[in-house]
Amino acid sequence: LAKTTQPISMDSYEGQEVNITCSHNNIATNDYITWYQQFPSQGPRFIIQGYKTKVTNEVASLFIPADRKSSTLSLPRVSLSDTAVYYCLVGDRASGNTPLVFGKGTRLSVIA
Amino acid sequence: GAVVSQHPSRVICKSGTSVKIECRSLDFQATTMFWYRQFPKQSLMLMATSNEGSKATYEQGVEKDKFLINHASLTLSTLTVTSAHPEDSSFYICSAAPTGWNSPLHFGNGTRLTVT
Repeated sequence: LAKTTQPISMDSYEGQEVNITCSHNNIATNDYITWYQQFPSQGPRFIIQGYKTKVTNEVASLFIPADRKSSTLSLPRVSLSDTAVYYCLVGDRASGNTPLVFGKGTRLSVIA
Repeated sequence: GAVVSQHPSRVICKSGTSVKIECRSLDFQATTMFWYRQFPKQSLMLMATSNEGSKATYEQGVEKDKFLINHASLTLSTLTVTSAHPEDSSFYICSAAPTGWNSPLHFGNGTRLTVT
């Protein structure tokens, strides 16, 4: 399983764009990159998943460079409610390498 | 979207008793479910993989006789903490994914277990 490395914490003001980068130097050819958000005393919530280049949905964008050794979760115009821990996982369910192992995550604090 | 329901959300029990936690996939079938444990300010730690109709697979260091897992149907997995002790107090979370190409995991809302 690819190991991931993220910043332990980040602070941001409301309304700003926040970019959280995850390093996964040993990512395998078939691995996907998945990001989750977790609030205190709740289970993680799926945010976005991608394989290469850029993926965008209604809550975030995911940027993946050509070498795929890192990825960046971009949260546009954060609000106080975006304060949470964000985790990136890599793996490939189709080959049985389900992304199950959580790293330490990034604790995002949004300040008014 | 895929929904995973976990029950109870919070339980307090006395040392030496057993506690059962249920995990249900509400709108999809899950041949495999996963159980995690999370201590305060720490990340999720995978405990075991629950397989429908067969024995669970436990991660290294997790006692299979203490954490009994049953996955009797395609929508229900249970985790029983047997002879609970205060050090078993933690936040337990289950997850599952719909079958399908790289469907992401969906998580229950967790169970806060406090052993007194």
